[in-house]
Amino acid sequence: EVQLQESGPGLVKPSQSLSLTCSVTGYSITSNYWGWIRKFPGNKMEWMGYISYSGSTSYNPSLKSRISITRDTSKNQFFLQLNSVTTEDTATYYCARYRTGSPFDYWGQGVMVTVSS
Amino acid sequence: DIQMTQSPASLSASLGETVTIECRASEDIYNGLAWYQQKPGKSPQLLIYNANSLHTGVPSRFSGSGSGTQYSLKINSLQSEDVASYFCQQYYNYPYTFGAGTKLELK
Repeated sequence: EVQLQESGPGLVKPSQSLSLTCSVTGYSITSNYWGWIRKFPGNKMEWMGYISYSGSTSYNPSLKSRISITRDTSKNQFFLQLNSVTTEDTATYYCARYRTGSPFDYWGQGVMVTVSS
Repeated sequence: DIQMTQSPASLSASLGETVTIECRASEDIYNGLAWYQQKPGKSPQLLIYNANSLHTGVPSRFSGSGSGTQYSLKINSLQSEDVASYFCQQYYNYPYTFGAGTKLELK
């Protein structure tokens, strides 16, 4: 069974970087697409970006140059880095799997990240 | 970006009732539409994809319909375990975008 698990600090200071890890079991990240999605307080959801089976990436333009998604295929993990965070980045962050032209079929349980001094 | 307008924001219904949630896209998304259910403290669960296809393991009381810019999720014979938030998502074009969600409660 495909399982995803997010991990990372729950508290980040403004202007610092947010770094999260998504550990995947039961499926290789060298297949399909692997994305990051966040849910803000108030329930708005935002697709942040993906890393593909080949290592290519695509990001939401709203995040401009603040975001980077990378991977370690030897550990079957992929990572989110979001730079220069503000309180507006406070959200629950999810990693998820999807196939080309399909929605997210497997999600992690989510990790709540608060940006505060 | 494609804007997804979901309604209603909240809904109260009785057990056994049929409920409908709607989603309107700001442009044609050619059935690239999914519905998810999310319970408090849990991750979203895929219910419907391609606007009207039931995801594996999802009860048949859930159904999706629509085309173009207008889509809907119907829950027949509401059960207590259906109390949750529901939201739509378009995956026709990047950046993928979501509806604002509908909170379903029991009356």
